[in-house]
Amino acid sequence: KAGVTQTPRYLIKTRGQQVTLSCSPISGHRSVSWYQQTPGQGLQFLFEYFSETQRNKGNFPGRFSGRQFSNSRSEMNVSTLELGDSALYLCASSLEGSNNEQFFGPGTRLTVL
Amino acid sequence: AQTVTQSQPEMSVQEAETVTLSCTYDTSESDYYLFWYKQPPSRQMILVIRQEAYKQQNATENRFSVNFQKAAKSFSLKISDSQLGDAAMYFCAYIDLYSGGGADGLTFGKGTHLIIQP
Repeated sequence: KAGVTQTPRYLIKTRGQQVTLSCSPISGHRSVSWYQQTPGQGLQFLFEYFSETQRNKGNFPGRFSGRQFSNSRSEMNVSTLELGDSALYLCASSLEGSNNEQFFGPGTRLTVL
Repeated sequence: AQTVTQSQPEMSVQEAETVTLSCTYDTSESDYYLFWYKQPPSRQMILVIRQEAYKQQNATENRFSVNFQKAAKSFSLKISDSQLGDAAMYFCAYIDLYSGGGADGLTFGKGTHLIIQP
């Protein structure tokens, strides 16, 4: 089975712009979770989608949003980018829910200038 | 809110030796999972080992084993016969089994950078 894929792998944006990141889960996995990794804050949970519905959300401002499509692919969007949004964004998929074993993608490295 | 603490920012071990990475967590829940993830320089998070809180037996995966002390809320990882390929950041993580119809995602520790000396 193919693993979790994320596109793009690298992205450079400027402050105030918006960005969309994509995640394709492992075939058959219905849950997709997103995490932000920064040197200062470490790994933090953004949100989880299951069957096209956001099931849980971490403590992030409303500028961070996401969605999931019927094929379980997920996108996350960050609007009005700030310098502090520079991070590695990791996507993880699991069979039924995020409390099952989560398989991570390679991440998208976002740099905000 | 749950917290996960890894008190060792960096550890160094000689190749073929054994090393133990520490992790403590705080939760009021009784049903949860604990994980150790490895993140090499490629940044790909790889699951090393998983422990269900209801299981008393410590999980083992080849050279990797855990010491799970539920009452003490401690979850350490032992790597035996360390290999150069084990060099990476290691993250301890926690997740509730039940939380409002879903889970709140993994709560990670800050990580331990493991160096393998040849």
